[in-house]
Amino acid sequence: QTVVTQEPSSSVSPGGTVTLTCGLSSGSVSTTYYPSWHQQTPGQGPRTLIYSTNTRSSGVPDRFSGSILGNKAALTITGAQAHDESDYYCALYMGSGIWVFGGGTKLTVV
Amino acid sequence: QVQVVESGGGVVQPGRSLRLSCAASGFIFSSFGMHWVRQAPGKGLEWVATIWYDGSKKYYGDSVKGRFSISRDDSRTTVYLQMNSLRAEDTAVYYCARDRGYSPDNWGQGTLVTVSS
Repeated sequence: QTVVTQEPSSSVSPGGTVTLTCGLSSGSVSTTYYPSWHQQTPGQGPRTLIYSTNTRSSGVPDRFSGSILGNKAALTITGAQAHDESDYYCALYMGSGIWVFGGGTKLTVV
Repeated sequence: QVQVVESGGGVVQPGRSLRLSCAASGFIFSSFGMHWVRQAPGKGLEWVATIWYDGSKKYYGDSVKGRFSISRDDSRTTVYLQMNSLRAEDTAVYYCARDRGYSPDNWGQGTLVTVSS
């Protein structure tokens, strides 16, 4: 069973830049997995930031960008703000109608 | 604007059934696939089921396969999740989302399902 891996936690200073990654327990992530990124604050429903590797969802500021870095998908946040402190989940389309979410990264802005 | 609103959650005994609904608006419903994703208390997101835009294909996560069924009614712009043989481990907030580029997008606020005797 393929596992989607994310850093459990990460931190960034206000105004700084942070990159979160999304990998596979076996193999490399590529655009054919249509990686997506979703932000969730406590008590709220998720909000999609990025889909299809690097397309920003409607209303998402360009401080958020998606890419492939090496063998992983990546979400980069530039100019971090206090309200970016959230849980971030990636999801991969494994083909054959199957999606898998990563375990999430808890981002702290300190 | 695009909006999806889930309903139908509640407390149900193990082994019983429940049907969730997701009412969509603000887009051409018949042109988009729809997902159900759940989140157990204190846990991460888990993909549950997806239905293709035309209803021709339906897919399920391993943990619900054979027990849950996804369907859609384009005339009502609503997608459903029929949940049978419910277990304690099905306790979660269930989210509905529109598909966009092979990804859930435009999520609702969720509906809580609690399976308990």
